Amino acid sequence: GQSLEQPSEVTAVEGAIVQINCTYQTSGFYGLSWYQQHDGGAPTFLSYNALDGLEETGRFSSFLSRSDSYGYLLLQELQMKDSASYFCAVRDPGSNYQLIWGAGTKLIIKP
Amino acid sequence: DAGITQSPRHKVTETGTPVTLRCHQTENHRYMYWYRQDPGHGLRLIHYSYGVKDTDKGEVSDGYSVSRSKTEDFLLTLESATSSQTSVYFCAISEAGQVPYEQYFGPGTRLTVT
Repeated sequence: GQSLEQPSEVTAVEGAIVQINCTYQTSGFYGLSWYQQHDGGAPTFLSYNALDGLEETGRFSSFLSRSDSYGYLLLQELQMKDSASYFCAVRDPGSNYQLIWGAGTKLIIKP
Repeated sequence: DAGITQSPRHKVTETGTPVTLRCHQTENHRYMYWYRQDPGHGLRLIHYSYGVKDTDKGEVSDGYSVSRSKTEDFLLTLESATSSQTSVYFCAISEAGQVPYEQYFGPGTRLTVT
């Protein structure tokens, strides 16, 4: 079957750097997406990696290693507003249109 | 932000009644999705649409039906609501070239079935 694993919760300090990991098991792989969701809000798209390596967008970066079936989201200079849940997702190999979602990682930031 | 609205935003209904949730987009995106989100389960796909009148089932489609008669509107119907369908429902859209990796979500509908 297809599955993604993320830690359920990560705690970090304001101003620090935090890494949220995602490992996946799928019969085919087409890329890894990351989404952010604040409590009570809607998920918002952060990034997509199709190829190995690091993609940087401001304070957020996303990394992919296809050989290790692993990716991570790196958040730098943490701010209190980064407190949210973060989801990784991959394309369902059996469909061109569907994503398989991880259960999410709740990021708690302490002052 | 993508122009996606959902209505109603909150609804309380009784077991056994039919319920319809509406998703409306102003982006002219071809692909539309309905998800439910429950604690500990992340997002689960109910149904999706890849064009007007073109829909297909997701992983949790039992008890739900959808319709899409116009590009901008995607309706989700709970045929006979049950307490297990109490959830937060999100609509999402995506465009060719981005699908399915990059999706834009509506604000959600909180549904309570009593």
